[in-house]
This record gives sequence, C-alpha cells and structure tokens, in this order.
Amino acid sequence: EAGVVQSPRYKIIEKKQPVAFWCNPISGHNTLYWYLQNLGQGPELLIRYENEEAVDDSQLPKDRFSAERLKGVDSTLKIQPAELGDSAVYLCASSYQQNTEAFFGQGTRLTVV
Amino acid sequence: ELKVEQNPLFLSMQEGKNYTIYCNYSTTSDRLYWYRQDPGKSLESLFVLLSNGAVKQEGRLMASLDTKARLSTLHITAAVHDLSATYFCAVDRDSNYQLIWGAGTKLIIKP
Repeated sequence: EAGVVQSPRYKIIEKKQPVAFWCNPISGHNTLYWYLQNLGQGPELLIRYENEEAVDDSQLPKDRFSAERLKGVDSTLKIQPAELGDSAVYLCASSYQQNTEAFFGQGTRLTVV
Repeated sequence: ELKVEQNPLFLSMQEGKNYTIYCNYSTTSDRLYWYRQDPGKSLESLFVLLSNGAVKQEGRLMASLDTKARLSTLHITAAVHDLSATYFCAVDRDSNYQLIWGAGTKLIIKP
C-alpha cells in the first residue's frame, strides 16, 4: 500500500515568490493534516481537514498561507508571497478518521532565499 | 497551554549501552505517541500509549506512560547503530489526535 505522497521533495525560491506543495493521502483516509517543521523542532499543525472541510486552521497564517482539499482527497498548501522565515519542512499526514493514528509523508523542504 | 519537553535533546552513546529519553508535559493527558525520524525521511510511529501505566516494547525500545507524573520514558536497551535517529514524543491534547510535539531527541549511537 502506498503511503502519503508529497511533492516536490525540495523547493528553492526567492522571497516574495509564490510556492505550492501537493499531498496525496493514503487511500480511504478522511483526515488530512499539514504540519510545519523547523530545524531541530517538532512539527506544528497548520491545518486539519475532515474530508474537504478545514476543521482546524487556527495556526495557519492566513495572510499568506492558503490550503485546499477539493473532493476530499488530494490537498495543496500555498504560500504567497514567501518570506525568508518560511524556510522549513512542510509535512503532510493522513489518518482514517480524526482520532486515529496518522501516517506522515516525507515532507517538502522549502528554502526561501 | 500544553507544553511538551524532551530531554536530553542530544544524546551520543556507545553501542551496547542502555539509556532513557524523558518526555514531560504540562497538563492532563492520557494519550501519548512516540515517533522516530531519520534524516530526510517520514515520521514513523513507534508507540501509542493510551492509559496510565501503559508499557509497550518493540525490540530494544520500551516506552512507558505515567499520567500522574505527566511523564513518559523511552528506554533503549543495548543500543545498536541502527537506532540512530531523532525521537519525538507527542501528547494528544484532547484525545482526538490534536498533538503537541516535543522538540525531539537526536540520538547518535557509535559503533
């Protein structure tokens, strides 16, 4: 069974440019998470979806970050415009439902220069 | 605010030795997760501890949970090089997988 797939694995962009990350969760998983992980720290939740509905986006910086999960399957996370401080690993995870264990993708490492 | 603290944050040890990683948290919770992360790889679930006194073991790793002390431990027995990784604990704030993560313990095991 395929795990959580994220792309791209690495992205380098100049500040003020837009960037988008894509996540394909495990088939049948209704809950999808986007996390941000800074170097030497644990993940921090950005947004959680139940199917296509964003049920927890309290930590998402909405002035520049947006996310969508059309059709309740794949999801994209966008940053526009990117800032130097956005350099981090962006992790996607999915679970069968909200109170069950989540499985993580390999992440997208973003470098803003 | 729920805070999760791991210590040590960095640990270098010799193969064959035993050691313990500690995870303290600040508010009531009875569900705690341990994850492993290799460089450039996904977070891999190791243990889910669901009640006070829970103990789980897999190979050379054993995790326990004391909800009264708000403490979980990850014990490594007779360490081997393959266990080198970063280990995270994460506390479930509301028992619905709303996780608050520790900063991670980077473990290096020297042959």
